[in-house]
Amino acid sequence: EVQLVQSGAEVKKPGESLKISCKGSGYSFSSYWIGWARQMPGKGLEWMGIIYPADSDTRYSPSFQGQVTISVDKSISTAYLQWSSLKASDTAMYYCARRGIGSAGWFDPWGQGTLVTVSS
Amino acid sequence: DIQMTQSPSSLSASVGDRVTITCRASQGIANYLAWYQQKPGKVPKLLIYAASTLQSGVPSRFSGSGSGTDFTLTISSLQPEDVATYYCQKYNIVPLTFGGGTKVEIK
Repeated sequence: EVQLVQSGAEVKKPGESLKISCKGSGYSFSSYWIGWARQMPGKGLEWMGIIYPADSDTRYSPSFQGQVTISVDKSISTAYLQWSSLKASDTAMYYCARRGIGSAGWFDPWGQGTLVTVSS
Repeated sequence: DIQMTQSPSSLSASVGDRVTITCRASQGIANYLAWYQQKPGKVPKLLIYAASTLQSGVPSRFSGSGSGTDFTLTISSLQPEDVATYYCQKYNIVPLTFGGGTKVEIK
């Protein structure tokens, strides 16, 4: 079974750093792009960026470029999303998802989500 | 960048009603369009890809159509379990933009 399992909920203070993870299983992890999406409380989905595990090629949404870093460790089939200095406005649910190969570029499956709460 | 605009942003319909949601791309995207369903408190789930292909296991009352800039998601007979927010997404090239979502409720 293809599965993405994300790390658990986090509560952080403004200015702190954070790295959340997304571990893939049941498929050839290096062969599929992994994407990240943000969902702020009560709001819609926002595409943040994608990474290709085989060579770490990364593409960011202009809205998130410079705000977060997406990385991967293909040796342990895990993608990461990190912040160097969190803000209260980073409070949201974050999802990872696998992107299909070539023209099959939709997102499926999705991870269970990681809730990040930033509060002083 | 291509913008994805969904309408309406919310709707309320009766059980058994036919429901139509539209998604418009600001430029042509051929059929590189997916629809996702997100039930309250749950993870988004792929419903339709390539604009009109139903994902395995999705009830046949869901259908998708369109190509180029205008796309439609139709629920032929709304059921209580269809209460959710529905999102379109373009997936041909980055950015892989989502539409703003359409919240579907039962009247």
